[in-house]
Amino acid sequence: GAGVSQSPSNKVTEKGKDVELRCDPISGHTALYWYRQRLGQGLEFLIYFQGNSAPDKSGLPSDRFSAERTGESVSTLTIQRTQQEDSAVYLCATRPPIFSTDTQYFGPGTRLTVL
Amino acid sequence: DQQVKQNSPSLSVQEGRISILNCDYTNSMFDYFLWYKKYPAEGPTFLISISSIKDKNEDGRFTVFLNKSAKHLSLHIVPSQPGDSAVYFCAASRFMNRDDKIIFGKGTRLHILP
Repeated sequence: GAGVSQSPSNKVTEKGKDVELRCDPISGHTALYWYRQRLGQGLEFLIYFQGNSAPDKSGLPSDRFSAERTGESVSTLTIQRTQQEDSAVYLCATRPPIFSTDTQYFGPGTRLTVL
Repeated sequence: DQQVKQNSPSLSVQEGRISILNCDYTNSMFDYFLWYKKYPAEGPTFLISISSIKDKNEDGRFTVFLNKSAKHLSLHIVPSQPGDSAVYFCAASRFMNRDDKIIFGKGTRLHILP
């Protein structure tokens, strides 16, 4: 497909378990972002990858959160020892090379529920 | 510290009338502003943007106004249609400073009433 895809679309897990969320970017999009949206809240920036540069991790809420991306390929967001406050929709977005005025293109999100 | 603020969590507008969604920002370094629209169970989709060198950008029924001195922007939708019912996110970035990170507001839920 031509858009950003994310998997799984829904994930229910027990408190304390680890989860891994996946994002498949649009081909050629060098920038990739992870956001989360908790109930009643706006979009919260988590992490940003731009090509092979060091990622901007300034939005990660704790050291239980980590993300990886190799080059311009798939990215995974891992949450270790999940807590109930981690329940949210996790959104991935990608963007063409920098200096382009093209906007971010979002995937449909993964809804994470921590019981 | 919220750099992009949407102070109205929700707004109801009669079909056919004008919808005005407001957004305020605090960082004077922002130079590129965007509006995204989000339906339930879908990711946000880009709607319209404006660079800080302009004060107005129009695209069909959608117009964005930027008031730099007030650090305020607004999205006007006219005439409002039922399909416009969604959550609208205001966003800002420091594009010309090569800062690719986009900061989003909390969103405003727009209800178009029949």
